[in-house]
Amino acid sequence: DAGVTQSPTHLIKTRGQQVTLRCSPISGHKSVSWYQQVLGQGPQFIFQYYEKEERGRGNFPDRFSARQFPNYSSELNVNALLLGDSALYLCASSFSGDYGYTFGSGTRLTVV
Amino acid sequence: GQNIDQPTEMTATEGAIVQINCTYQTSGFNGLFWYQQHAGEAPTFLSYNVLDGLEEKGRFSSFLSRSKGYSYLLLKELQMKDSASYLCAEGGDYGGATNKLIFGTGTLLAVQP
Repeated sequence: DAGVTQSPTHLIKTRGQQVTLRCSPISGHKSVSWYQQVLGQGPQFIFQYYEKEERGRGNFPDRFSARQFPNYSSELNVNALLLGDSALYLCASSFSGDYGYTFGSGTRLTVV
Repeated sequence: GQNIDQPTEMTATEGAIVQINCTYQTSGFNGLFWYQQHAGEAPTFLSYNVLDGLEEKGRFSSFLSRSKGYSYLLLKELQMKDSASYLCAEGGDYGGATNKLIFGTGTLLAVQP
């Protein structure tokens, strides 16, 4: 069975650009959460989606947005990239937003 | 507030036992998680405690005391492959998000021969 898949695995962007990260949850999982992990820190919660609706949002600026599609896959968008947005972006899926989180391998974003 | 504290680094010897402590302060507590994360990889689930006491799973055990806001992860018979970052995370229903995880900064464990 495929786990949580994220694309791309690595990405380099320039300050001011926009980026879209993608996540496909485990088959049957209806909830997707996004986390940002800066080097040397623990992951920080960005968004949670369940059944295509936003369930919660972390302390991130409006430059960060996300959505969930009918097939439960999800996209995270970040506009007007800053150097500080350089991080590993992790997607986690679960059946109903419960504690059975499975993380994907992440997308390593570097902003130069 | 929401504040999770764990040591930044620890060193232990192959074959030994190591205990990684974690303290938390928050309301809406809904369980304490431990994840293992190797460099450049995704966190992988190790344990979940919601009630006080010890949960044992092979070489790994996790303990929770809700009254003290305290947990620890115990690793026995350490192997070189156990060298990784160990993340303590608190789960709770915050701001509408069900079971949002709040992570500590992680404890980088180095296992030496």
